[in-house]
Amino acid sequence: QKEVEQDPGPLSVPEGAIVSLNCTYSNSAFQYFMWYRQYSRKGPELLMYTYSSGNKEDGRFTAQVDKSSKYISLFIRDSQPSDSATYLCAVSSGSARQLTFGSGTQLTVLP
Amino acid sequence: NAGVTQTPKFRILKIGQSMTLQCAQDMNHNYMYWYRQDPGMGLKLIYYSVGAGITDKGEVPNGYNVSRSTTEDFPLRLELAAPSQTSVYFCASSPAGGGGGTEAFFGQGTRLTVV
Repeated sequence: QKEVEQDPGPLSVPEGAIVSLNCTYSNSAFQYFMWYRQYSRKGPELLMYTYSSGNKEDGRFTAQVDKSSKYISLFIRDSQPSDSATYLCAVSSGSARQLTFGSGTQLTVLP
Repeated sequence: NAGVTQTPKFRILKIGQSMTLQCAQDMNHNYMYWYRQDPGMGLKLIYYSVGAGITDKGEVPNGYNVSRSTTEDFPLRLELAAPSQTSVYFCASSPAGGGGGTEAFFGQGTRLTVV
């Protein structure tokens, strides 16, 4: 079993749609949960991070963690063509700041 | 600030050749990492370092070596290149201290093809 499973996509939505991206993880030791965004042929960049269970909102983006079900979500409201990218969930136990990544979901927002 | 700089950006190697992927960061971060990214597979950790002189294996270290003689530099060495090492390689760094959610900064990647 992979430590982090991510919906593979690809996902294509019209501009203005609400996007839901999801991951599940298997190790209850993970305490830090992140979403990275990766544009084509670029390195990943941190989009959101949360610690433990709960929600965190930043503009059009909301990250949600449910530790009881080991489920991580990222919601994008009013999606824009500029949101077209691959979204990677990542988890960490905090030790040495090592990140374990999901396989990524490729999102395309159509104008 | 340049952040994390990787060189080269692209490289084609023949089977059995060796090369070093360079990574430098100017943020004075203690933690540095090497990941490889294969299509549809996410990023897998190859090696990491928590400070100069200290390195450790990640999930997929076979066929690679690293060194960390300075805080700034973290080169990745490929010995006897194999087609299975065809991938995109990312170097990343993050600061010591703070919470585990401290951001990891990634370089632009090195696209390596072994033929």
